Amino acid sequence: KAGVTQTPRYLIKTRGQQVTLSCSPISGHRSVSWYQQTPGQGLQFLFEYFSETQRNKGNFPGRFSGRQFSNSRSEMNVSTLELGDSALYLCASRTSEAETQYFGPGTRLLVL
Amino acid sequence: GENVEQHPSTLSVQEGDSAVIKCTYSDSASNYFPWYKQELGKGPQLIIDIRSNVGEKKDQRIAVTLNKTAKHFSLHITETQPEDSAVYFCAASQKAAGNKLTFGGGTRVLVKP
Repeated sequence: KAGVTQTPRYLIKTRGQQVTLSCSPISGHRSVSWYQQTPGQGLQFLFEYFSETQRNKGNFPGRFSGRQFSNSRSEMNVSTLELGDSALYLCASRTSEAETQYFGPGTRLLVL
Repeated sequence: GENVEQHPSTLSVQEGDSAVIKCTYSDSASNYFPWYKQELGKGPQLIIDIRSNVGEKKDQRIAVTLNKTAKHFSLHITETQPEDSAVYFCAASQKAAGNKLTFGGGTRVLVKP
């Protein structure tokens, strides 16, 4: 089976812009979670989607949003980018029954 | 919410020696504890996990132990090899909280040949 894929792998944006990141889960996995990884804060949970519904949300401002499509692919959007949004954004997928999450390679976002 | 602390933050070992990383968690309701290995430029890769109804699990050179009473769990790597050099993360989650992973701060392991 192919693993979790994320596009794009690298992005450079400027403050105030918005960005959309994409994640394709492992085939058959209906749950997709997003995490932010920074040197200062480590790995932090953003949100989880299952069957096109947000099931869980972390402690991030409303500028961070996401959605999931009927084929389980997910996108996350960050509006009005700030310098502090520079991070590696990771997507993870799992089946509906298991706890085990499998991560993609991430999208590295640099905000200038 | 859950809080996971991980020690040490860096670990340098000689090839062939053992490496031990320790984590503590705060929420006694957590019942799933995975360990991830992250190499430069890659996403975290699951290497082993343990559930709260098990005290120990082993997979070749890697083992994890869990002490529910003390709320801590540890990763043991034996016969370390240079390819074990990476950053390792512990995490905790519980089904009741939607399986969101709370991660420790990470341990950078360097295996010297």
